[in-house]
Amino acid sequence: DIQMTQSPSAMSASIGDRVTITCRASQGISNYLAWFQQKPGKVPKRLIYASSSLQSGVPSRFSGSGSGTEFTLTISSLQPEDFATYYCLQHNSYPYTFGQGTKLEIK
Amino acid sequence: EVQLVESGGGLVQPGRSLRLSCTASGFTFGDYAMSWVRQAPGKGLEWVGLIRNKVYGGTTEYAASVKGRFTISRDDSKSIAYLQMNSLKTEDTAVYYCTRGGGYNYGDYWGQGTLVTVSS
Repeated sequence: DIQMTQSPSAMSASIGDRVTITCRASQGISNYLAWFQQKPGKVPKRLIYASSSLQSGVPSRFSGSGSGTEFTLTISSLQPEDFATYYCLQHNSYPYTFGQGTKLEIK
Repeated sequence: EVQLVESGGGLVQPGRSLRLSCTASGFTFGDYAMSWVRQAPGKGLEWVGLIRNKVYGGTTEYAASVKGRFTISRDDSKSIAYLQMNSLKTEDTAVYYCTRGGGYNYGDYWGQGTLVTVSS
């Protein structure tokens, strides 16, 4: 199975900060990588697909990059509504696997 | 508007069975793979399994933690995906979400989730 390792597992940041979350795959997954945002008690929401494609309706301050084994999610300027938990998911091979999550909190 | 609505959750004793349903609307159900993802209380997301559309044989894939106990099926005439859960364990307690898609469509839409509690 492919292991997805997210870092950091938690972080605190301020409004307006630039934030980067990393996801590393234990083997190459091409660009079959998606990023999801989940707020407490809510349904996960897809932000990025195919590593770098922005989901329709998602603000342009979110961006993704990477291919192979290393991927990043960047929020260019944190907004209050961005404080949430973020998950990466590889869907290159079965079983699909999520990262353990990154909890982004207000500093 | 795409909608996915899960149902069938509840309290069940260990060793018993439960069947979840995911009723879809707003898109051509038969064109898409459908998947289940779960989230135990206070934990992260865990991929459970997927069923391909009929063009790809309607075949299934599962996580190791549920393989042999859970079965995903679909009824394209009713636009419903099912998750049959047998031999339930306390560690299967989670909110179960259905999601749409395979390939780059994966996870573009999610249902609201249904809570399954396995406890004596």
